[in-house]
Amino acid sequence: QKEVEQDPGPLSVPEGAIVSLNCTYSNSAFQYFMWYRQYSRKGPELLMYTYSSGNKEDGRFTAQVDKSSKYISLFIRDSQPSDSATYLCAMSKPGANNLFFGTGTRLTVIP
Amino acid sequence: DSGVTQTPKHLITATGQRVTLRCSPRSGDLSVYWYQQSLDQGLQFLIQYYNGEERAKGNILERFSAQQFPDLHSELNLSSLELGDSALYFCASTQLGDRTDTQYFGPGTRLTVL
Repeated sequence: QKEVEQDPGPLSVPEGAIVSLNCTYSNSAFQYFMWYRQYSRKGPELLMYTYSSGNKEDGRFTAQVDKSSKYISLFIRDSQPSDSATYLCAMSKPGANNLFFGTGTRLTVIP
Repeated sequence: DSGVTQTPKHLITATGQRVTLRCSPRSGDLSVYWYQQSLDQGLQFLIQYYNGEERAKGNILERFSAQQFPDLHSELNLSSLELGDSALYFCASTQLGDRTDTQYFGPGTRLTVL
């Protein structure tokens, strides 16, 4: 079993929709949670970073962490065609430097 | 643009060969991480260097090795290549070696083994 599971999609939504992306994990040692966006043929770009449980909002993006359920989410409000990309969740443990990634969810926002 | 550069962009080679991938971290960053991204496995951590020293190892095969030079650029060497080594290889950099919230990724090198 992988330590981080993510539904690969693909997910297709109309412009303006609310998008919900999710990951589950099995290792309770994970404390730092991130969402990266990766456009085709580009490197991952950090979108959101949260520490432990709770919510964090940045513009149209909201990251949510529920450590009791080992579940993290990224919500995108008022989705735009420019949001079309692959979204990767990532997490890490205290004292460890490497990131554990989900396989990514490919999102397409249709104009 | 993250400030991390990787060369070459694309590499096509044959099984059994050896290749070297190069990464230059962002100005001021001391730590470099290498990741492999394949369709079925996603992004997998390979190895980390901090200021010239190996700091952490992940799922790196014995056929693969890396180093970080005094000017802080890093090279990933892949030898005895197999078809399954075909993937995107990314490097990322951070200023410090013990923080995980600011990994900046380069554009990647796409390796195709024929």
